[in-house]
Amino acid sequence: DQQVKQNSPSLSVQEGRISILNCDYTNSMFDYFLWYKKYPAEGPTFLISISSIKDKNEDGRFTVFLNKSAKHLSLHIVPSQPGDSAVYFCAATSSNSGYALNFGKGTSLLVTP
Amino acid sequence: KAGVTQTPRYLIKTRGQQVTLSCSPISGHRSVSWYQQTPGQGLQFLFEYFSETQRNKGNFPGRFSGRQFSNSRSEMNVSTLELGDSALYLCASRADVLNTQYFGPGTRLTVL
Repeated sequence: DQQVKQNSPSLSVQEGRISILNCDYTNSMFDYFLWYKKYPAEGPTFLISISSIKDKNEDGRFTVFLNKSAKHLSLHIVPSQPGDSAVYFCAATSSNSGYALNFGKGTSLLVTP
Repeated sequence: KAGVTQTPRYLIKTRGQQVTLSCSPISGHRSVSWYQQTPGQGLQFLFEYFSETQRNKGNFPGRFSGRQFSNSRSEMNVSTLELGDSALYLCASRADVLNTQYFGPGTRLTVL
């Protein structure tokens, strides 16, 4: 069963605006969460991560928010740029049961000029 | 540092054949994981190797196997190929005490 869900298959945002990508998980044992950006036929590129002991982590234009009680995380990109257009994957892992990443199905982000 | 490298990048095989894919992790990383990406199932974990030992395994049949060498390079093997094995196979490496995995470019396997 899918333990990590990205319910929006696609998102379109204008350049300069905020992009918000959402992710939900069901396994309460997950303690580390990551966002990856991926282009077709390439490997995922690591963007940003967050440990379950935090509720926010920032890196430049990217911020990840974690709401453990809701089992929900989101990635904010501000401001969005056309080069951000790609598929974004949310992933979660549990250090207690190995480091296997459980991925969502991805959200395709299109940033239009 | 050089990133994760995978060879070959593209491969075409026929049903019933076997295939071996290779992965070289980031220098100093001892953990190597393999993932399969298909349009239907998305990205799924195959297995993880650390210091030449398989530490974790996903829900894949025994036709999928792997190994890791003393220099941390890893190979995965798929025997008796099926059409459904057509996928992008991704390798990722991780530093010992950190959770972040870094991916290679992948090997695109097509089974005819």
